[in-house]
Amino acid sequence: SAVISQKPSRDICQRGTSLTIQCQVDSQVTMMFWYRQQPGQSLTLIATANQGSEATYESGFVIDKFPISRPNLTFSTLTVSNMSPEDSSIYLCSVEERDGSQHFGDGTRLSIL
Amino acid sequence: KQEVTQIPAALSVPEGENLVLNCSFTDSAIYNLQWFRQDPGKGLTSLLLIQSSQREQTSGRLNASLDKSSGRSTLYIAASQPGDSATYLCAAPGTGRRALTFGSGTRLQVQP
Repeated sequence: SAVISQKPSRDICQRGTSLTIQCQVDSQVTMMFWYRQQPGQSLTLIATANQGSEATYESGFVIDKFPISRPNLTFSTLTVSNMSPEDSSIYLCSVEERDGSQHFGDGTRLSIL
Repeated sequence: KQEVTQIPAALSVPEGENLVLNCSFTDSAIYNLQWFRQDPGKGLTSLLLIQSSQREQTSGRLNASLDKSSGRSTLYIAASQPGDSATYLCAAPGTGRRALTFGSGTRLQVQP
């Protein structure tokens, strides 16, 4: 399966700042997704990262707060903007393999003070 | 909209027991269903993928079944070991979607 690298693995940020998370895949993939896992919760989809066009956001998530870039078929970024303590979560990217399975990066553990 | 439910929420068993984790989903028009494992503070590891045309899939001591008509999947773990202790997540896409909807997970603890 594809090897997915996420950076940073963790960060502690001040409220009001922004952080950009990178997701790099070692092969070209069509579908990339960004999920959030709040403390003690399961995963919730933030958006589908579309190559060459704007991301498709789920209800409750907006582009101004979570801008996403997908410049090519191996790379995507998620920015968490104007952070507040409620944004403290694990953020994970995933890719869809040819057999339809999804595989995840190790996640970015974000804490906001 | 797809909804995925997992029971039980938590399970503690002695080493060596066989166990079954349950998953139900509301939208049966799925093209696959996937089981994951998550260790504390870690990302997700894919365990098994079942295509909609399959009834079950096996990997080592793990066996997953899928019954689309009833909206259910089970993950069977044979001869459980302390190293199996983790949270197990079931996930399925909704109609016309590729992104996954996750259940809340079953937190498994296997006592030595």
